[in-house]
Amino acid sequence: GQQLNQSPQSMFIQEGEDVSMNCTSSSIFNTWLWYKQEPGEGPVLLIALYKAGELTSNGRLTAQFGITRKDSFLNISASIPSDVGIYFCAGQSAGSYQLTFGKGTKLSVIP
Amino acid sequence: DTAVSQTPKYLVTQMGNDKSIKCEQNLGHDTMYWYKQDSKKFLKIMFSYNNKELIINETVPNRFSPKSPDKAHLNLHINSLELGDSAVYFCASSQGPGGYTNTQYFGPGTRLTVL
Repeated sequence: GQQLNQSPQSMFIQEGEDVSMNCTSSSIFNTWLWYKQEPGEGPVLLIALYKAGELTSNGRLTAQFGITRKDSFLNISASIPSDVGIYFCAGQSAGSYQLTFGKGTKLSVIP
Repeated sequence: DTAVSQTPKYLVTQMGNDKSIKCEQNLGHDTMYWYKQDSKKFLKIMFSYNNKELIINETVPNRFSPKSPDKAHLNLHINSLELGDSAVYFCASSQGPGGYTNTQYFGPGTRLTVL
């Protein structure tokens, strides 16, 4: 089956620092999604990407759909304590009904 | 207004019991999903319904049976609960099953604990 590698697994950063995380796939995806999950809650959609090369921002968050269609990254600028959570990438390949999720990046922000 | 809602939020039960989790979405979406999130936070798809029709049925014990009475509801019934069923179960919905319509929105989760 498809494999989705997400890195890093966890990050500890100082408030105000920029953060970068990425996902790579063993196969081509047509859609990349980035979610954030806070403790006790469901994943919340942050950014959706539908075209290779697409670069999309949502406030301090920026995500890109890799040109090879096998990778995506998420950047968070000027991190703040409420950025804490687990960030998941998810991708969908052509002809498939399901999303494949990465294993998540756990972000901790030190005030 | 909650877009995707699940009940109950917490469920604690004994091994061998039968239980149900309910999910409702008010987004007007055609497709709904059940995911299981284990203790390592890995999200695994279990089932998906599109217009009340089963379209994804992953390798899940047949003790788990989804039921979709209408497009806005997808319930999950679990028979003969086992210790390994303890997890957080998430319902999700999307406009459709493919392409850009497959942007999924998640409910708050149901934490199931089997004793």
